[in-house]
Amino acid sequence: AQSVAQPEDQVNVAEGNPLTVKCTYSVSGNPYLFWYVQYPNRGLQFLLKYITGDNLVKGSYGFEAEFNKSQTSFHLKKPSALVSDSALYFCAVRVPQEGTALIFGKGTTLSVSS
Amino acid sequence: DTGVSQDPRHKITKRGQNVTFRCDPISEHNRLYWYRQTLGQGPEFLTYFQNEAQLEKSRLLSDRFSAERPKGSFSTLEIQRTEQGDSAMYLCASPGQSVNTEAFFGQGTRLTVV
Repeated sequence: AQSVAQPEDQVNVAEGNPLTVKCTYSVSGNPYLFWYVQYPNRGLQFLLKYITGDNLVKGSYGFEAEFNKSQTSFHLKKPSALVSDSALYFCAVRVPQEGTALIFGKGTTLSVSS
Repeated sequence: DTGVSQDPRHKITKRGQNVTFRCDPISEHNRLYWYRQTLGQGPEFLTYFQNEAQLEKSRLLSDRFSAERPKGSFSTLEIQRTEQGDSAMYLCASPGQSVNTEAFFGQGTRLTVV
């Protein structure tokens, strides 16, 4: 079965420090990987995706993620956190050979303190 | 604003009642997904439409749930004989035409069954 794991329920970081939100996946084919962010009372917003090519992908709001096939990981990173980055982050995977739906992790709450 | 509209935003209903939610996707997108998100979990796939055809259904979609997409435009999700376990956020997603494009999510309908 396809699955996505976000091992940390919460990540706390001080403003200006680098942040990492971890994601690992278990799939039987070649995955498409996504990160979404959810702010309170707002819908899921797309941040970035890996489909193919360069393992380091850059997305919205200064976020980036690195696809690591050997470690089956797709960690979200940002060099310098902002208080406004505080939100709920979801990693998701799609395996085209197994269907078209996204499979989401449980989410990680990022809290950036000033 | 992602361009995906869901109505209503909130619905409180008594156990045993029927409820219907509506999603208006981005107009030129022919694919549409419904997901369900419970507290502390990531969204879970319910069903997928391409135009008016319902092509995929999750085993989560019991026979009390039915979804339609007449004319391939808006979609409705109906839950009959609601149960307290149906309380969740119901999300609609509208991806682009290509299989590797990201999905745009509506703000969701929060259902509370009392």
